[in-house]
Amino acid sequence: NAGVTQTPKFQVLKTGQSMTLQCAQDMNHEYMSWYRQDPGMGLRLIHYSVGAGITDQGEVPNGYNVSRSTTEDFPLRLLSAAPSQTSVYFCASSRSGGAGTDTQYFGPGTRLTVL
Amino acid sequence: GIQVEQSPPDLILQEGANSTLRCNFSDSVNNLQWFHQNPWGQLINLFYIPSGTKQNGRLSATTVATERYSLLYISSSQTTDSGVYFCAVEGTGGFKTIFGAGTRLFVKA
Repeated sequence: NAGVTQTPKFQVLKTGQSMTLQCAQDMNHEYMSWYRQDPGMGLRLIHYSVGAGITDQGEVPNGYNVSRSTTEDFPLRLLSAAPSQTSVYFCASSRSGGAGTDTQYFGPGTRLTVL
Repeated sequence: GIQVEQSPPDLILQEGANSTLRCNFSDSVNNLQWFHQNPWGQLINLFYIPSGTKQNGRLSATTVATERYSLLYISSSQTTDSGVYFCAVEGTGGFKTIFGAGTRLFVKA
């Protein structure tokens, strides 16, 4: 099992550019999510999905779009990058434990810089 | 929304020492997890512990849900324990995980 994979590992964008961060998992997990981590802070939830075709907003969704067409993949799209989106982005997955999530497994992260 | 507070914010230990990290949360939760972020940025799940006590080697955790806190114990610390320890909770509404700001641990050889 590869677990949770993310690409790219590093990315530099100019203000106004768009890009997609890729996330995939091979554990057949229903739940997937995206977080951002700013320096010296904990992680903040951007968007999450409880299954294919179902997504919802987290704490900080503005400026980001997601879709979930398959169980395995959960891409995060930045439509018009801004310097405030400079951060490290983590994808996570878990089984759904009925009322909520089970143990979450994290990808290695994508370090994004917006100039 | 739920507030999560971790203490202490920073901790320096001599190798071999023991420590206790605390996580307080402001409302009822579905689950609580402890993570270790190593110096290379990788996040590793240590415990899934909405209530009760669990042990894994030198680490153990206790969550007292009725009093809204959790403790992570590290015994006989090693330099490889260095990094940031995060507590993360999910409220009873489900599926929205809230992280604390973390405890930054440095273990000296």
